[in-house]
Amino acid sequence: AQKVTQAQTEISVVEKEDVTLDCVYETRDTTYYLFWYKQPPSGELVFLIRRNSFDEQNEISGRYSWNFQKSTSSFNFTITASQVVDSAVYFCALSALTGANNLFFGTGTRLTVIP
Amino acid sequence: DTGVSQDPRHKITKRGQNVTFRCDPISEHNRLYWYRQTLGQGPEFLTYFQNEAQLEKSRLLSDRFSAERPKGSFSTLEIQRTEQGDSAMYLCASSSPGPASGNTIYFGEGSWLTVV
Repeated sequence: AQKVTQAQTEISVVEKEDVTLDCVYETRDTTYYLFWYKQPPSGELVFLIRRNSFDEQNEISGRYSWNFQKSTSSFNFTITASQVVDSAVYFCALSALTGANNLFFGTGTRLTVIP
Repeated sequence: DTGVSQDPRHKITKRGQNVTFRCDPISEHNRLYWYRQTLGQGPEFLTYFQNEAQLEKSRLLSDRFSAERPKGSFSTLEIQRTEQGDSAMYLCASSSPGPASGNTIYFGEGSWLTVV
């Protein structure tokens, strides 16, 4: 069974602070994909990153960085120097590499960046 | 480059009525998904098409729900005899399989349903 846990329901930070969103997952698959999506108030889920389970290199994209640790089944997301536009709900998700590849989502973390 | 589009964006209906949502995926994507999202929760998988074939359905998809993708392009999701518990956002998504894309799934803006 697939399961994604985002223990942080809501986080508030002051603009320019760094913030880390936690994601822990469970799966019996040996290979899988991990994702992060952003959902602003408009409702659309915006794709941020995909990571293969066999690629444990961390990734940085601008102010965003991701730390994948297979040993602890975690895929954490850090926003550096947060901005008001980063305010949204962020979802971590997991999918298999084969079959329908449908996504299993966590319950999301609502991030509020205070100006 | 157009993304996934959904129509209508908002629907208010009386309990017992039927509603239909339409989804137009990204044009080169042959996979299409429907998800449902309720307040405070992550999206939950409902069903999946590869081209025109509906290959997988979640247990969440009761008999009152039916999805079609007749020509392998757009899709419709119909809910018959709506109930208040059907109030949610219905998200459509599409993807193109293969190692290059990693089957990244791209979502539309969703269709909000309120059953009163």
